Amino acid sequence: GAVVSQHPSWVICKSGTSVKIECRSLDFQATTMFWYRQFPKQSLMLMATSNEGSKATYEQGVEKDKFLINHASLTLSTLTVTSAHPEDSSFYICSARDNRGDTQYFGPGTRLTVL
Amino acid sequence: AQSVAQPEDQVNVAEGNPLTVKCTYSVSGNPYLFWYVQYPNRGLQFLLKYITGDNLVKGSYGFEAEFNKSQTSFHLKKPSALVSDSALYFCAVSPSGGYQKVTFGIGTKLQVIP
Repeated sequence: GAVVSQHPSWVICKSGTSVKIECRSLDFQATTMFWYRQFPKQSLMLMATSNEGSKATYEQGVEKDKFLINHASLTLSTLTVTSAHPEDSSFYICSARDNRGDTQYFGPGTRLTVL
Repeated sequence: AQSVAQPEDQVNVAEGNPLTVKCTYSVSGNPYLFWYVQYPNRGLQFLLKYITGDNLVKGSYGFEAEFNKSQTSFHLKKPSALVSDSALYFCAVSPSGGYQKVTFGIGTKLQVIP
């Protein structure tokens, strides 16, 4: 149980294009999902908290117009990196919080490379 | 503000030997504590958690962790390390009660030497 999928696992795009990453909880409903960014040899940086049916809560310093988050159902959250630039290249990981509210389960991550 | 310290960037241990990955925390009130493991180019896998009850928590793949309130520690242990245990390990803490913000440590790289 508690499986979270993420798609795509990797993506290469040209500078200026937009990229959408999907995060799905496969065997449980998640009212809250999280989006993280991880730089090489560094810990996770929380970007935003995604709440089903409401606006995402962004961490300080994260541009909400650049990183669009939609959590339209209890099993799906999407992160769209708009007008991507090389500095947006990173490993993006989502997680979903279980129904007890205490444990996050992570997706396998998406490697984004912007040329 | 809550925080997690993983004092070792890397831990090296010989295969078959016991391993310990250290974690100390700071949080208001009682903690919820977690360990996750990350293999290269993968997301984090949940290993174990302490919510309440027995201070010794057993998790996946033979790992266990001991909650020590007086030392505010939650060290990860395994009696006999495997080469396949080589990975990046993250400790995390949140205030108790659920639905709280979770703070992650910077990670400790475990290298098990054959």
